[in-house]
Amino acid sequence: QSVLTQPPSVSGAPGQRVTISCTGTSSNIGTGYDVYWYQQLPGKAPKLLIYGKNKRPSGVPDRFSGSKSGTSASLAITGLQAEDEADYYCQSHDNTLSWVFGGGTKLTVL
Amino acid sequence: QVQLRESGPGLLKPSQTLSLTCTVSGGSISSGAYYWSWIRQHPGKGLEWIGYIYYSGSTYYNPSLESRLTISVDTSANRFSLKLRSVTAADTAVYYCARRYDSWFDSWGQGALVTVSS
Repeated sequence: QSVLTQPPSVSGAPGQRVTISCTGTSSNIGTGYDVYWYQQLPGKAPKLLIYGKNKRPSGVPDRFSGSKSGTSASLAITGLQAEDEADYYCQSHDNTLSWVFGGGTKLTVL
Repeated sequence: QVQLRESGPGLLKPSQTLSLTCTVSGGSISSGAYYWSWIRQHPGKGLEWIGYIYYSGSTYYNPSLESRLTISVDTSANRFSLKLRSVTAADTAVYYCARRYDSWFDSWGQGALVTVSS
């Protein structure tokens, strides 16, 4: 049972926009901690996608963006491409458990 | 570009000690900006933060693992290590070493699968 809750799966057609939610509690996201996002391609290590306040590491396209409100956060992917098919994880800081992750969301590009 | 690489035995029996080392290249582990972390992923599951060490040797562990856990650093060899005692099948996972900057993990190793089985 992950501390942060994500939908197990989402899907979208090429070119569409999809969002992945990440729900926390008052001891993590709701405290004001930022939420970070990672992309994990099959058989690979997670890769940082969003950090800070909606910043992207070099090489990450601006099709990816993050937002946060209250105890939840979202990752939006616009102009969906086949190469975006992967697992996506949110991560934040927690007052009691330090660094916490979501259970992951599998994105399928139809 | 910093690179991290995990190494260690891939198969353990219950009650043994899991030992993994993460060798860092392309950057100094003694850089004060980073915290050197271990994260694991159970088969088909999400990510679990295990703990981290600063180059000075200070550590912070996940409370759920703290009683079995030791993370150490060897700055001369630019590497850090994980020891998890008294393993069970529930410790079967892919173990990643990662570099934390501020509150996010910006570089990851490729992962090491550790299987605990009798």
